[in-house]
Amino acid sequence: AQKITQTQPGMFVQEKEAVTLDCTYDTSDPSYGLFWYKQPSSGEMIFLIYQGSYDQQNATEGRYSLNFQKARKSANLVISASQLGDSAMYFCAMRLFTGNQFYFGTGTSLTVIP
Amino acid sequence: SAVISQKPSRDICQRGTSLTIQCQVDSQVTMMFWYRQQPGQSLTLIATANQGSEATYESGFVIDKFPISRPNLTFSTLTVSNMSPEDSSIYLCSVATQANTEAFFGQGTRLTVV
Repeated sequence: AQKITQTQPGMFVQEKEAVTLDCTYDTSDPSYGLFWYKQPSSGEMIFLIYQGSYDQQNATEGRYSLNFQKARKSANLVISASQLGDSAMYFCAMRLFTGNQFYFGTGTSLTVIP
Repeated sequence: SAVISQKPSRDICQRGTSLTIQCQVDSQVTMMFWYRQQPGQSLTLIATANQGSEATYESGFVIDKFPISRPNLTFSTLTVSNMSPEDSSIYLCSVATQANTEAFFGQGTRLTVV
């Protein structure tokens, strides 16, 4: 069975500072993708970044980077230079290449402090 | 990518009534999913909407309570039947194209049952 674990229910960060949101996953399948989504209070799910299990380099998208440590089965999201608009829920998710379903973690609520 | 239009965006309903949520995609997609997100919780997959056949429901969800239609490759509906306050949640439509790509989400339907 597949499982995503986010152990930080809430995080605070000072504006302009960097923050790391933790995510660990469990699967016996070697082929999978890892995703991070942002959910503002309005409710929509916004895709941030993707990492494939066979990708050699860590994914980066603007201020977002994914610290992928395959042996540890971790896929932490790093947000650099935090902005007030980054305040939201952040969900880590996994999808097997052979399947359709996305597995979501319980989320981390990030608050950026001015 | 895919653009998803989901409506209504929010509704307040009386217990015992039903609400149908619509999901329209701007391109043909094979896989469409319906998720429920209870207050303060993560996303839980309700079912996979299959075009031309019955939806595939996850454990804990049944067709009588959450009937789903998928008449073509761009449209699906989810009905929440005989609602109770426990059905108050955000309901999200989602589509995925290829195996190693992100899921795209509709804006969500914020349902409150009174």
